[in-house]
Formats: sequence, structure tokens, C-alpha cells
Amino acid sequence: DTAVSQTPKYLVTQMGNDKSIKCEQNLGHDTMYWYKQDSKKFLKIMFSYNNKELIINETVPNRFSPKSPDKAHLNLHINSLELGDSAVYFCASSQEGVAFFGQGTRLTVV
Amino acid sequence: SQQGEEDPQALSIQEGENATMNCSYKTSINNLQWYRQNSGRGLVHLILIRSNEREKHSGRLRVTLDTSKKSSSLLITASRAADTASYFCATDRGGATNKLIFGTGTLLAVQP
Repeated sequence: DTAVSQTPKYLVTQMGNDKSIKCEQNLGHDTMYWYKQDSKKFLKIMFSYNNKELIINETVPNRFSPKSPDKAHLNLHINSLELGDSAVYFCASSQEGVAFFGQGTRLTVV
Repeated sequence: SQQGEEDPQALSIQEGENATMNCSYKTSINNLQWYRQNSGRGLVHLILIRSNEREKHSGRLRVTLDTSKKSSSLLITASRAADTASYFCATDRGGATNKLIFGTGTLLAVQP
């Protein structure tokens, strides 16, 4: 069974659209994250949730809204997509500081 | 920027050779971790070294940490073509946030 799974794996959409990426972990971890990896492979944290509560919000535009319905799920909704949002988005969960990553969602805004 | 720096940015070696990657960071840390990313995949945790440790081994991996210089190195011995990937260091300052700050990564290519 996949430990951290996110869907979809690929997402191609037009500017101005709204899209969501879903993430689920079956590891029983309390902490989940969203990271953004740009074309130069820089990996930057966006959000962190601990037991459904927002812990970190790293100056991400408010077009990005995470939602955690329970501690096993952390979804990312993006409004009014822009070209600069194109990137690979990774969900992760952690236990004792070690992160487990999903396979990534490659978002392409055209 | 809090992001750490890694060097080299890219490294190409022959199978059987050793590969060394370096990581420098800017703040005090609780621990430092190394992750591997194969092309098109998520990151996979390799090894964690705590701030009070100087060296750690795991299989063909050897990690060192020098907190006075705010630097770490990852050595992969007897490299294999399957080691081809990007390698990232990540620092954890501890505390309640469990926030990992990733370095810029080293792309390692091991030629068969």
C-alpha cells in the first residue's frame, strides 16, 4: 500500500481555473505538509498541519488554501491559477521529524 | 533565504567510484537529514544526523556534520548506476513546527 498518495499525478489547466490536489497518508502521522518544487528543483515548504490544525503558512498567496478534514488527509485548493503556479507539488507526512513524500503532482498552467 | 546550499550542483562519476556531496546551512539545527529523489518521483529519506553527532553510517552512506562550520557531507561509496538521482540535505531546527528546510540539491550521475 502506498504510504503517502496524492492525486492527480499530472494536471494541465488553463489560467484562471480553480483546481484541487488531494493527499492521503496511511502512516498514522500527525503532521502533514505541502511543498512546491520549481523547475530548478528548489523545494520550498508551503504549509504544515498538525492534527488538522495549520502550523506553518509560508507567505503563500491566499489563492492557495489547504484543507485537512482529518489527520490522514491534506488537500490543496488553488484558485485563479497563474502561469507561475506551474511546478511539482509534493505532499508529505512526518514522524519524529522524518518526512515521507508522495510521488508529486505536476501542475502545468497554460 | 533560509535555504541551504549544496555543492556541487551536478556530479558525474563512474560506477565503483565514491561520490561526495556537501551541504551548508545558515541557522542552528536540531538535526540534518539527507534525501534522495529519482527523476519524476518523490523524495526518499536516507539518513538523519543529530546536532550532537559528528558522523553516521548507513550501508554505503557516510554522513558527517560540522555544526561549527554549519556544514555536512554525504559520501556514497562504491557507487552504482542505480544511485543516479538528485540528493538533498534538509535541516530541522526542532521545536513545534517540524519544518524542514531543503538545500538546492546535487544531481548525481553514475555512468555504468
